[in-house]
Amino acid sequence: EAGVAQSPRYKIIEKRQSVAFWCNPISGHATLYWYQQILGQGPKLLIQFQNNGVVDDSQLPKDRFSAERLKGVDSTLKIQPAKLEDSAVYLCASRRRGQANEKLFFGSGTQLSVL
Amino acid sequence: AQSVTQLGSHVSVSEGALVLLRCNYSSSVPPYLFWYVQYPNQGLQLLLKYTTGATLVKGINGFEAEFKKSETSFHLTKPSAHMSDAAEYFCAVSVLANTSGTYKYIFGTGTRLKVLA
Repeated sequence: EAGVAQSPRYKIIEKRQSVAFWCNPISGHATLYWYQQILGQGPKLLIQFQNNGVVDDSQLPKDRFSAERLKGVDSTLKIQPAKLEDSAVYLCASRRRGQANEKLFFGSGTQLSVL
Repeated sequence: AQSVTQLGSHVSVSEGALVLLRCNYSSSVPPYLFWYVQYPNQGLQLLLKYTTGATLVKGINGFEAEFKKSETSFHLTKPSAHMSDAAEYFCAVSVLANTSGTYKYIFGTGTRLKVLA
């Protein structure tokens, strides 16, 4: 089966600019996650979708970050305006139903550098 | 809140030596625990998982982990390290996401394994 697709692979922007990341999960996967992985740290959950609804966005900095999954398939994550501390790898992951013991499938991530 | 703690951000072993990566969890209920590996410039992939049943879990590439409730631990081991095992390893716990009935992963801070020739 095809994996989780993410684009772009790399992005370099200046602070205060905006940026968007795209994710297409594995076909049929209802649950989609966006994680932020800062260098040297573990992935931190930003937002979780179940189909096209938000399940958990408690750690999403809503003053600058937004995400949507309008048709319950692919998703976009946006940062506006970006700050230096947003430099990180943004990982998209999905799983079939969001159950406790399900494997999580990750994309290769988008590496963001904010200058 | 449920979480996992990985002791040692960097571990170095000689090729052929035992690999031991430590993970402790905090949970008031039986947890669902996972180990993921991240090779350089690649996405995270599942090594193994514990849900219920047998406490010794075998994964890919010769890795295994033992769930010890009395110690709240889920340490990852491999009897003999290979150069190809050099990567970053993450312990994770699956917890309920609010009241949705679905689950999210909470990851540890990771342990970078270096294998010396």
